[in-house]
Amino acid sequence: KAGVTQTPRYLIKTRGQQVTLSCSPISGHRSVSWYQQTPGQGLQFLFEYFSETQRNKGNFPGRFSGRQFSNSRSEMNVSTLELGDSALYLCASSLAVVGTGEQYFGPGTRLTVT
Amino acid sequence: GQSLEQPSEVTAVEGAIVQINCTYQTSGFYGLSWYQQHDGGAPTFLSYNALDGLEETGRFSSFLSRSDSYGYLLLQELQMKDSASYFCAVGADQTGANNLFFGTGTRLTVIP
Repeated sequence: KAGVTQTPRYLIKTRGQQVTLSCSPISGHRSVSWYQQTPGQGLQFLFEYFSETQRNKGNFPGRFSGRQFSNSRSEMNVSTLELGDSALYLCASSLAVVGTGEQYFGPGTRLTVT
Repeated sequence: GQSLEQPSEVTAVEGAIVQINCTYQTSGFYGLSWYQQHDGGAPTFLSYNALDGLEETGRFSSFLSRSDSYGYLLLQELQMKDSASYFCAVGADQTGANNLFFGTGTRLTVIP
């Protein structure tokens, strides 16, 4: 079974631009969560989607948004990029309807904002 | 507020046993998970404790005490490939959904 895939793997953007990242979960997984990982803040939860609905949202500004499609694929968008948005963005999928703490992470998208 | 505390670094000898502790303070609690992350890699799931006690999976074991808001990951028969960062994470949402609050990670270095 294929793992979680994320595209693109690397991205360089300029301050003020917007970016869209894509995540394809493991087949059959309906829950997709997004995380931001930085050396200073560690792994921080962005939001989670389940059956095309956002179930939970972390403490990030409204510039960060996401969506999930009927095939469970998910995208996240960051508008008006800031230097501090440079990070590794990870998505994780889960089979469970109710969280069991077991998530499968993709390789991440490394975003650099200049 | 929510916080998870774990040591920032641990060094241990190949073949030895190492314990990584995690104390948490969260508004809700839906289990304690452990993840391993090698440099440049993605976090991979190791274990999950929803109830008090010890869970064993091969060389790795994880313990939880909900009354003490404390857990640990025990790695036995350490191998060089175990050198990585280890994160504890709490499912802290009252719906039990898949949003994990991660600790800052413990960097384990295994030396020969």
